[in-house]
Amino acid sequence: QSALTQPASVSGSPGQSIIISCTGTSSDIGSFNFVSWYQQHPGEAPKLIIYEVTKRPSGVSNRFSGSKSGNTASLIISGLQAEDEADYYCCSYAGTYTAIFGGGTKLTVL
Amino acid sequence: QVQLVQSEAEVKKPGSSVEVSCKAFGGTFSSYSITWVRQAPGQGLEWMGRNIPIFNTVNYAQKFQGRITITADESTGTVFMELNSLRSEDTAVYYCARDPGGDVGHWFFDIWGRGTLVTVSS
Repeated sequence: QSALTQPASVSGSPGQSIIISCTGTSSDIGSFNFVSWYQQHPGEAPKLIIYEVTKRPSGVSNRFSGSKSGNTASLIISGLQAEDEADYYCCSYAGTYTAIFGGGTKLTVL
Repeated sequence: QVQLVQSEAEVKKPGSSVEVSCKAFGGTFSSYSITWVRQAPGQGLEWMGRNIPIFNTVNYAQKFQGRITITADESTGTVFMELNSLRSEDTAVYYCARDPGGDVGHWFFDIWGRGTLVTVSS
């Protein structure tokens, strides 16, 4: 099974909003509302920032939000800040008790 | 708050096996499942499999079927991931992470270990 498709990189200036897309198939994103997003800074473990498509864990900034349409999920980061510069990964339940990650997107804050 | 503490880095020869452990501190596995994810140098995250300790249930990614075994010791709150027939492409940081959803699974991972670097080299 191939990884979910994410853009390799996105960039934005402080204060701007950016969107990171995550495209799967009707067998994963399209069939289940179990999409999650992770932020990973260099040398650190991933951190959960969005789960079940739109929900935010306690302590995660409300500048992070998620959505889904068809086979594509999206992570929206508003009011970009320098500390948002990181790698971002989407993940989806893929059926038969397995999961699949996206290839990752490097966010650069200009 | 539960913390997941992983074993130290390992260097292995091609063809050998490695076992990485993940111990829960500050809580028990309860009805959680533990997932294993790996990340090769400069690459993305890859889901490998999961174990639900209290039900002794495992599920593996098709890619690793036949090479991976995930087990749990509930008495010590430790989950183990063994990968066999190692090759250079298995060089990666291996993470354990908690899914709070138990056997059904919520399919998100809210607590992560710090990772264990496994280097496969002759």
